[in-house]
Amino acid sequence: QSVLTQPPSASGTPGQRVTISCSGSSSNIGSNTVDWYQELPGTAPKLLIYSNDQRPSGVPDRLSGSKSGTSASLAISGLQSEDESDYYCAAWDDSLNGYVFGTGTKVTVL
Amino acid sequence: EVQLVESGGGLVKPGGSLRLSCAASGFNYNDAFMSWVRQAPGKGLEWVGRIKTTVSGGATDYAAPVKGRFTISRHDSKNTLYLQMNGLKTEDTALYYCAWVGRTGFMYKWGQGAPVTVSS
Repeated sequence: QSVLTQPPSASGTPGQRVTISCSGSSSNIGSNTVDWYQELPGTAPKLLIYSNDQRPSGVPDRLSGSKSGTSASLAISGLQSEDESDYYCAAWDDSLNGYVFGTGTKVTVL
Repeated sequence: EVQLVESGGGLVKPGGSLRLSCAASGFNYNDAFMSWVRQAPGKGLEWVGRIKTTVSGGATDYAAPVKGRFTISRHDSKNTLYLQMNGLKTEDTALYYCAWVGRTGFMYKWGQGAPVTVSS
């Protein structure tokens, strides 16, 4: 049972903006930074955003992350067919003394 | 180029043991925290545990479902990470990834995963 809650699905047409939410608590998002991962079918997860809003080299700037209080969000602007994937948020949890992943969101490009 | 290559996966009976290895290259492994993450079939990602650098004492942390059964270790001269899994349960069936951990705890780079099936 994950302690970070995401909507199971999100969708949009090409070119649209899609936002994925991630809800946590004071012991995880409220006191630590949030990371986001993309998992394409049949491939290993890939880091998209770290430390709330930082993009690793190679991640396009149409992907952005933000955090406020005990929630975070990932925005994908200019939606493209290759964005169709599963997305996970994650953060360290001080109470569990472990790293926790969100429940995951499947993004569909209509 | 960073490479993480897992090996050692397979089929094991409930109660059995298995050891996974992760060969690392392309970065300074000795200075890296490392983690294991798993994904059960059709399910989401689940953090298994992590190990700090040897100079940091090589301390380990584990997720509650595996604590006391799984042990993470590292061999710095071989650039290799290990996951010793004992007392395996059917619910441990998953694809196991090793990952290089970034400075604030994020999983910076991932291997391709090693499949583990626990079944009688």
